[in-house]
Amino acid sequence: EPEVTQTPSHQVTQMGQEVILRCVPISNHLYFYWYRQILGQKVEFLVSFYNNEISEKSEIFDDQFSVERPDGSNFTLKIRSTKLEDSAMYFCASSESGLSQPQHFGDGTRLSIL
Amino acid sequence: GDSVTQMEGPVTLSEEAFLTINCTYTATGYPSLFWYVQYPGEGLQLLLKATKADDKGSNKGFEATYRKETTSFHLEKGSVQVSDSAVYFCALSETNAGKSTFGDGTTLTVKP
Repeated sequence: EPEVTQTPSHQVTQMGQEVILRCVPISNHLYFYWYRQILGQKVEFLVSFYNNEISEKSEIFDDQFSVERPDGSNFTLKIRSTKLEDSAMYFCASSESGLSQPQHFGDGTRLSIL
Repeated sequence: GDSVTQMEGPVTLSEEAFLTINCTYTATGYPSLFWYVQYPGEGLQLLLKATKADDKGSNKGFEATYRKETTSFHLEKGSVQVSDSAVYFCALSETNAGKSTFGDGTTLTVKP
């Protein structure tokens, strides 16, 4: 069964540095998402992406964050000037279409900011 | 805005016990409802879904019925196994972009 893959599985970065989290969504999917899960807390929506542009974003997704689909397979989340509170699990997801379709999640990247 | 409220955990059961995890939601329209499961160290996996009122989603012995009148989507299983130990998330999706809103998650531990 096709799956969403994320790299790296764990990223350790100094505060203030930039990080790029990478995702390869399922190939025939059209919608892409990033979520984060701070340890012990709920899964929070960050951003959705369709047709090469952001379709929706949360208040968490401020100017520090950006997403890109640089080629036909990768979907990246960039965090500029990381802060301690950015430490979390970041999950990428994709779906065939939007409304009513389940999202397929990757295993996540654990981001640790020191 | 949209929200999902799940029964607080953790829940500890003996093998073969009956499981119920309550989930209620608040939404402006007619959302699709989902249950996801997260095993240790892994991402979220779709367990089941329902897209309209009175739909019943089912998978691997788990069931949940979309109750519009009570805005609920409770997860049930008649006989749990040790392998069902995981964190269970109730979620809804309402926007055209498919953004999902998750509950806090309920940790289930099944003891032999």
